[in-house]
Amino acid sequence: DVKVTQSSRYLVKRTGEKVFLECVQDMDHENMFWYRQDPGLGLRLIYFSYDVKMKEKGDIPEGYSVSREKKERFSLILESASTNQTSMYLCASSTDRTGSYNEQFFGPGTRLTVL
Amino acid sequence: KNEVEQSPQNLTAQEGEFITINCSYSVGISALHWLQQHPGGGIVSLFMLSSGKKKHGRLIATINIQEKHSSLHITASHPRDSAVYICAALEGQGAQKLVFGQGTRLTINP
Repeated sequence: DVKVTQSSRYLVKRTGEKVFLECVQDMDHENMFWYRQDPGLGLRLIYFSYDVKMKEKGDIPEGYSVSREKKERFSLILESASTNQTSMYLCASSTDRTGSYNEQFFGPGTRLTVL
Repeated sequence: KNEVEQSPQNLTAQEGEFITINCSYSVGISALHWLQQHPGGGIVSLFMLSSGKKKHGRLIATINIQEKHSSLHITASHPRDSAVYICAALEGQGAQKLVFGQGTRLTINP
């Protein structure tokens, strides 16, 4: 079974702090994604990566950056956390291998509160 | 207008009822994803399909590419099926990005 893990289930930070959210997958997937989920807005893509050191902006990249130094790990960075970044953050991974249909597998989520 | 629309947004039913959740999309897709999210946040992949029908236990997913429509059915529903069900379209060929519906909140009462 694919396993996607996230470093924290719950996180509380203060405005202006630098925040790191870590995601690790154990199935050698090429693609990794960071989403945020807010009531009434559904899931929105922040950034994704299709290879080590490669990244592409999603729909809402402002205020975020990412890092992918190793294939299994994809980090989301909030350079200076703000209250409007309070949200549920979900990581996912997928593979390009034939027959996979790029099915995405999700982590358990990190509920971040910025005070 | 959202590119992926689900209906209904909320659904409450009694245990044992047959449940249908609908998903319509306006984009060209290579596959459609059905996801389940329980309270607490974790998302589980239920189905990924590009044509026809798939069945897993009491869950059945169908897709009609020409009509740009997919349905998720739950037979003999149970309170543990209570969750948010999300459909997501994989756009184009070889695409990586999903376009998500808003989700359907299903509550099954005993």
